[in-house]
Amino acid sequence: QSALTQPASVSGSPGQSITISCTGTSSDVGGYNYVSWYQQHPGKAPKLMIYEVSNRPSGVPDRFSGSKSGNTASLTISGLQAEDEADYYCSSYTSSSTQFGGGTKLTVL
Amino acid sequence: QVQLVQSGAEVKKPGASVKVSCKASGYTFTSYDINWVRQATGQGLEWMGWMNPNSGNTGYAQKFQGRVTMTRNTSISTAYMELSSLRSEDTAVYYCARGMRGVAGTIDYWGQGTLVTVSS
Repeated sequence: QSALTQPASVSGSPGQSITISCTGTSSDVGGYNYVSWYQQHPGKAPKLMIYEVSNRPSGVPDRFSGSKSGNTASLTISGLQAEDEADYYCSSYTSSSTQFGGGTKLTVL
Repeated sequence: QVQLVQSGAEVKKPGASVKVSCKASGYTFTSYDINWVRQATGQGLEWMGWMNPNSGNTGYAQKFQGRVTMTRNTSISTAYMELSSLRSEDTAVYYCARGMRGVAGTIDYWGQGTLVTVSS
């Protein structure tokens, strides 16, 4: 199984907005509303930021939002802050398994 | 609070097996699936499989079929992941992670990770 496709890196200045895409197929991203996004700082375990395409767990700032169109899901971070600099991974449920994206490194300039 | 505490780092020789433990606390262990995810240094996340601690039912990623075994001991709220026939490419941090109830393929809590190094 191939990983979901994410850009290797994105960057933005504090206060700006960025969007990270996650492209799959009709068998994963396009077929289910079970897309989630994780934030991972260096040396730390990942943290759930978005689930079921656009839902935020308690405690996650509303600067983080998710959406999906067809086989592509997106994570948008508005009002970028220095602490948002991290790796971001999307994942999708797919017929009794879970698929992760390759990860995107977000740099806050 | 939900906690998943994993066993310590391991160094193994090629061909050997490793068994990583994951002790859960702060919730009812048998009510949530446990997933295992690994991450090689500088690489992305790779899902290995899941286990239902109540029934013991498991599901493994095709890549690991035949080499991975996920088990549990409900009396001590602990899950285990055993990987056999280790090779250098298995060197990675291994995470146990709780599945979000009712939301397929989603993880809401992660362990701290266990580094497994495979080297001769």
